[in-house]
Amino acid sequence: AQSVTQLGSHVSVSEGALVLLRCNYSSSVPPYLFWYVQYPNQGLQLLLKYTTGATLVKGINGFEAEFKKSETSFHLTKPSAHMSDAAEYFCAVSRMEYGNKLVFGAGTILRVKS
Amino acid sequence: ETGVTQSPTHLIKTRGQQVTLRCSSQSGHNTVSWYQQALGQGPQFIFQYYREEENGRGNFPPRFSGLQFPNYSSELNVNALELDDSALYLCASSLDSGRSYEQYFGPGTRLTVT
Repeated sequence: AQSVTQLGSHVSVSEGALVLLRCNYSSSVPPYLFWYVQYPNQGLQLLLKYTTGATLVKGINGFEAEFKKSETSFHLTKPSAHMSDAAEYFCAVSRMEYGNKLVFGAGTILRVKS
Repeated sequence: ETGVTQSPTHLIKTRGQQVTLRCSSQSGHNTVSWYQQALGQGPQFIFQYYREEENGRGNFPPRFSGLQFPNYSSELNVNALELDDSALYLCASSLDSGRSYEQYFGPGTRLTVT
């Protein structure tokens, strides 16, 4: 069975500091990988996705993630945190045999300190 | 172009009652997926409808059921509500059900069961 593990339920960074949110997945076949952001009382917004090809993926709002097959990881980074980045972030995976149905991690709440 | 909409926004029900949640998919999308997000957790896949037929189901009991209409809007029905059904219910639509098709999420319906 596929699963997603997000290390750290809460991450706190200072404004302007590097953001690093960790995601590891388990899948016996090549996965599609996603990062979503959720602001309070809202739905999910796609930040970026990896399907095939280039392993470094750039998304919206300055975020990027790198697919590392050998480490089964897909960590999300942003060079400089803004106050507006404070939200909950979810990593998700889909597998070929399940179409576009998603399996999500438990989420990481990002706090940005001024 | 109108995005995914859900109604109602909030709902309070009593244990044992039944509830119907509604979702209007984005224009041109024929696939709708439903997810349950309990407090502090990532979304869990309930089921997916593709062209009015159920196209996969997660680990949810039969009292969770759904419909998709010819205009591709969808309903989620939950019978015999339990306290643990309290959650944010998210609907997502996509152009098709294949793995390469991105899901677009609605804002969710917050269900509270007392």
